[in-house]
Amino acid sequence: EPEVTQTPSHQVTQMGQEVILRCVPISNHLYFYWYRQILGQKVEFLVSFYNNEISEKSEIFDDQFSVERPDGSNFTLKIRSTKLEDSAMYFCASTPGGAYEQYFGPGTRLTVT
Amino acid sequence: SQKIEQNSEALNIQEGKTATLTCNYTNYSPAYLQWYRQDPGRGPVFLLLIRENEKEKRKERLKVTFDTTLKQSLFHITASQPADSATYLCARLGAAGNKLTFGGGTRVLVKP
Repeated sequence: EPEVTQTPSHQVTQMGQEVILRCVPISNHLYFYWYRQILGQKVEFLVSFYNNEISEKSEIFDDQFSVERPDGSNFTLKIRSTKLEDSAMYFCASTPGGAYEQYFGPGTRLTVT
Repeated sequence: SQKIEQNSEALNIQEGKTATLTCNYTNYSPAYLQWYRQDPGRGPVFLLLIRENEKEKRKERLKVTFDTTLKQSLFHITASQPADSATYLCARLGAAGNKLTFGGGTRVLVKP
């Protein structure tokens, strides 16, 4: 069964450094998402992406964040200058259509020291 | 803003019994409510979706109801098994059909 994959599974970085989290969505899906989950807290929406552009973003998704689909298969989340409070589990998700169930990847645990 | 609330207390239940979880939302009824399962350190896994014009949806031992008057969805696991132990998340789909807004989840522990 096709699944969403994410790399790396765990990323440790120093405050102020740039990180890129990578995702490979399911191949025939059209909508792509990033969510994050701080330890012990809710899963929070960051951004949705459709037709090569951002369709919606949350207040969390400020100028430090960007997304890209560089080659038609990968979907990346970049954090330009990481802060301690960016430490969280980051989940990528995809769906064939906007109102369908979302398929989540296994997540990347980001630790900012 | 649209809020979605779940009982944050863990639910301990004996194997074979029915677990019932509650999800309450504010403001207007979402067109869709979705339920996901999350195991520790893993991504959410989709279980069931119910539309606002549907009263009930079933899948194997799972049942979801949607009451727009009470602004509530109930999630039932019948004949529960230890393998059902996990956190169950309720989520509403945004008006634009894009983002999911999740509740905090209810942890279920099924004891043999």
